[in-house]
Amino acid sequence: DTEVTQTPKHLVMGMTNKKSLKCEQHMGHRAMYWYKQKAKKPPELMFVYSYEKLSINESVPSRFSPECPNSSLLNLHLHALQPEDSALYLCASSQDLSGRINEQYFGPGTRLTVT
Amino acid sequence: AQSVTQPDIHITVSEGASLELRCNYSYGATPYLFWYVQSPGQGLQLLLKYFSGDTLVQGIKGFEAEFKRSQSSFNLRKPSVHWSDAAEYFCAVGARNNNDMRFGAGTRLTVKP
Repeated sequence: DTEVTQTPKHLVMGMTNKKSLKCEQHMGHRAMYWYKQKAKKPPELMFVYSYEKLSINESVPSRFSPECPNSSLLNLHLHALQPEDSALYLCASSQDLSGRINEQYFGPGTRLTVT
Repeated sequence: AQSVTQPDIHITVSEGASLELRCNYSYGATPYLFWYVQSPGQGLQLLLKYFSGDTLVQGIKGFEAEFKRSQSSFNLRKPSVHWSDAAEYFCAVGARNNNDMRFGAGTRLTVKP
């Protein structure tokens, strides 16, 4: 199984809402990632978890809060977002070989619209 | 920190023609290099990767790429393009000591009938 699943596929939320994006993988990968991708742009790294510990936080605003409850799950909690946060949010996972980079497997993404 | 440049924003080729997408990287040591493809509204799919060894790497869907250290390049090639290859292509570079991977701006490929 080389699949990364993300739910929901689409999400529309108001600026005062609280919502969560979910990501799951069953490949035994110990590194998981959140990326943000605006239209016609490359993915931008937001967070990296390595062995369920946050290892990279790319100065993301606190209205985005990641959580890694176990080695298979990754959440992104959203609160008080702005319209400019509307984007495709991609989750990825990879083997973590003593912190060295390895190929990442991506989920299909959650299309987020903030109204 | 590592970085990637994809000089071509958009390329159009005829179906059956050959393809080369350019990628130049910046990194102080031998990098880990990747090519991903993304169809509209979808996630990214890994086409191929280079970590070490043979500098010509074969990938899925008939793609190959060549690592040239002297030119800091990792260009993607395909001898005969199919209409289904139309997509966005991203080159990415990873550091060898952490999980940080950076993407190029992408090249959009259009395939003419």
